[in-house]
Amino acid sequence: AQKITQTQPGMFVQEKEAVTLDCTYDTSDPSYGLFWYKQPSSGEMIFLIYQGSYDQQNATEGRYSLNFQKARKSANLVISASQLGDSAMYFCAMRGPYSGAGSYQLTFGKGTKLSVIP
Amino acid sequence: DSGVTQTPKHLITATGQRVTLRCSPRSGDLSVYWYQQSLDQGLQFLIQYYNGEERAKGNILERFSAQQFPDLHSELNLSSLELGDSALYFCASSPRQGVTGELFFGEGSRLTVL
Repeated sequence: AQKITQTQPGMFVQEKEAVTLDCTYDTSDPSYGLFWYKQPSSGEMIFLIYQGSYDQQNATEGRYSLNFQKARKSANLVISASQLGDSAMYFCAMRGPYSGAGSYQLTFGKGTKLSVIP
Repeated sequence: DSGVTQTPKHLITATGQRVTLRCSPRSGDLSVYWYQQSLDQGLQFLIQYYNGEERAKGNILERFSAQQFPDLHSELNLSSLELGDSALYFCASSPRQGVTGELFFGEGSRLTVL
């Protein structure tokens, strides 16, 4: 069975500073994918970044980067130059199991609430 | 805007009642997923449909049911509602031959059971 663990219920970061949100995972599948989603107070789930298990390089999307350490089974999200609008819940998720026709379920962690301080 | 549309955005009802939540996936997406987000359980996968057929089932209660129609919109029916059913219900869709498995989420339907 797959499991995603986010050990930080809440985090604070000063505006313009970088912050790392932790995520560890457990799976027996050699092929898997890891995602980060952002959920602002308005409630919608916003996709941020994806890392495949066979990707040679760490994923980056603008100010977001994923620190992927396969041997340690961790996929930490790094947000550089934090902005007030980054205050939100952040969820780590893992792809699987496969449901056929290119579709998968996602298993989510409990989330980390990030608060950016002016 | 993800392209996934959910209605209603907010719903308040009483215990024992029945409600229907509606979802329209992104144009061209054949898969629809339903998730429940509550404070104590986090995001829980409920059920998935692909092109009208049930494809996977998660932690969905017997009081809950869903279907996907020929026009690909989906409905989640919640009956005999209990206080503990109060949650944010998300619908998500994914591309037909998705490479990464990314899900595109709607804005959610917030259900309050009084």
